[in-house]
Amino acid sequence: SQKIEQNSEALNIQEGKTATLTCNYTNYSPAYLQWYRQDPGRGPVFLLLIRENEKEKRKERLKVTFDTTLKQSLFHITASQPADSATYLCAPVNNAGNMLTFGGGTRLMVKP
Amino acid sequence: EAGVAQSPRYKIIEKRQSVAFWCNPISGHATLYWYQQILGQGPKLLIQFQNNGVVDDSQLPKDRFSAERLKGVDSTLKIQPAKLEDSAVYLCASSRERVNTGELFFGEGSRLTVL
Repeated sequence: SQKIEQNSEALNIQEGKTATLTCNYTNYSPAYLQWYRQDPGRGPVFLLLIRENEKEKRKERLKVTFDTTLKQSLFHITASQPADSATYLCAPVNNAGNMLTFGGGTRLMVKP
Repeated sequence: EAGVAQSPRYKIIEKRQSVAFWCNPISGHATLYWYQQILGQGPKLLIQFQNNGVVDDSQLPKDRFSAERLKGVDSTLKIQPAKLEDSAVYLCASSRERVNTGELFFGEGSRLTVL
């Protein structure tokens, strides 16, 4: 069955460092992969979308990579700030695009 | 533009009672989704509408859950009768087209507690 895995343990890093979050998928061949941010008590907010023919995508301090061979996406936040503390969700999307399945999310804590 | 509106924000009911959640998507968005998010987990898709037609409801527990999107605009999700395991946040989202062309816009969610 299709499986999407994100590190369920919280990631704690120091302010100014680069945070790297991992999204692995199995039995799945996504055409796209989306990343969302979710704050406590709020709905997810879209951050980035990367297509299978794109190796890397950047937006300000955010960078996403997509390795279809490893079946993995990495999400990087450079020069992290306490305001970046949140849960980050990945969502591989297949070509049909009818269903968006989310990973369990990784909670990031950036300490000042 | 106004975001996705959901109500109520919080609801507490006894098991076997019924509950309904309402969602008004962003104006002009053709696709509407209902997700269930249990504490500590990612959102799980319950049902997807394209205009007023159902695109995917494969994960909707149809013996107790129902949803409709009359006139292709706002939508209602109902649970009857509720079970303890239905305690979760119910998120509504909308998108301009089908998901593979863009992002989802989420509402703040409706938190359900079943006692």
